[in-house]
Amino acid sequence: LAKTTQPISMDSYEGQEVNITCSHNNIATNDYITWYQQFPSQGPRFIIQGYKTKVTNEVASLFIPADRKSSTLSLPRVSLSDTAVYYCLVNYGGYQKVTFGTGTKLQVIP
Amino acid sequence: EAQVTQNPRYLITVTGKKLTVTCSQNMNHEYMSWYRQDPGLGLRQIYYSMNVEVTDKGDVPEGYKVSRKEKRNFPLILESPSPNQTSLYFCASSLSIQGAHNEQFFGPGTRLTVL
Repeated sequence: LAKTTQPISMDSYEGQEVNITCSHNNIATNDYITWYQQFPSQGPRFIIQGYKTKVTNEVASLFIPADRKSSTLSLPRVSLSDTAVYYCLVNYGGYQKVTFGTGTKLQVIP
Repeated sequence: EAQVTQNPRYLITVTGKKLTVTCSQNMNHEYMSWYRQDPGLGLRQIYYSMNVEVTDKGDVPEGYKVSRKEKRNFPLILESPSPNQTSLYFCASSLSIQGAHNEQFFGPGTRLTVL
């Protein structure tokens, strides 16, 4: 089963912009890319979703190149409270079963 | 307030004693799902439901049962819990699982310990 690939961990200083890239080579025509944030012992929380080009909301931006085989979550000016695990999720081919990858553990350093 | 609720939030039980973890959503979502999360193994889907009376296995269904008699409720049943089912459990719901409306809303989690 095709799945997403993202770095296991990243460190960043407060105030920096953080970019987390996810690879999803087998993405199908109708698939959307969804990113979640999870704090310890809490359920994942939806951050942003996109299909192509660029999507921006109040917390993040999502960049998707034309071939859609990867996507980059961009968090502007991170703070300590952004320390969390970030998951990239693609439901390949509209598959009903959901498979989360390992996620990227972001540690923001003062 | 739109939300997914789970009960209980914490449970300590003994091997073999049947238990049910309830999940309810108030968003009229079609898709509901149960996950377990263990250190180093991430989130793994146990069961999911596309709609009332429609359920199917996720990646780790052994030892669990579910039912979807009403749209809003999706209980997780452990008929004979064992220590390897000690975990953090999350229920989630979404309007759909395909296309642009597939963002899932997660409950607060249920921490289960089976002795």
